[in-house]
Amino acid sequence: SQTIHQWPATLVQPVGSPLSLECTVEGTSNPNLYWYRQAAGRGLQLLFYSVGIGQISSEVPQNLSASRPQDRQFILSSKKLLLSDSGFYLCAWSRTVRDEKLFFGSGTQLSVL
Amino acid sequence: DAKTTQPTSMDCAEGRAANLPCNHSTISGNEYVYWYRQIHSQGPQYIIHGLKNNETNEMASLIITEDRKSSTLILPHATLRDTAVYYCIVGERLNTGNQFYFGTGTSLTVIP
Repeated sequence: SQTIHQWPATLVQPVGSPLSLECTVEGTSNPNLYWYRQAAGRGLQLLFYSVGIGQISSEVPQNLSASRPQDRQFILSSKKLLLSDSGFYLCAWSRTVRDEKLFFGSGTQLSVL
Repeated sequence: DAKTTQPTSMDCAEGRAANLPCNHSTISGNEYVYWYRQIHSQGPQYIIHGLKNNETNEMASLIITEDRKSSTLILPHATLRDTAVYYCIVGERLNTGNQFYFGTGTSLTVIP
């Protein structure tokens, strides 16, 4: 069976510090991978998606970047965090077929202080 | 941007059916309707999806209108554990996968 791992569960970082969130998927190959963010009281915002190694598409201009160094690894990064980067970050994957559903990780609650 | 409209919140009595509406008037012919739910501080969980026909699984039923401009998610016998935010999403197809745009959803509270 397929599983998705996302860590850490919670993170408190000072403004201006770097960020690295990691997500890995097991039990499948060549998944589509996604990063979402949920600000307090808001819906989920799609940040990045990837259809293959080294292929990253960005949905919104921001202070964040994403990378996919391996088939089942997706990393969200920032060189210098802003207060507005606080939120609940979710990694998700889907199979590469037309109507396939998303499977979400358990999320990382990031607080930038 | 989300392509659906949902009520902000709803209440439902425990044991009763919860009917959650969703408008997606700009849906295109190849787009599916998906429903997810998110319990506080967890990742969203897939519930059901459909294209034209009504669908039913062990969790819920999905009723899609004939013109496909709206749908209703039905939880037949709501329990306290069904309290969550429910998202209605129209899937935008890519060549190799789907992008899903979540709105703010409907916050369902099941009342004892």
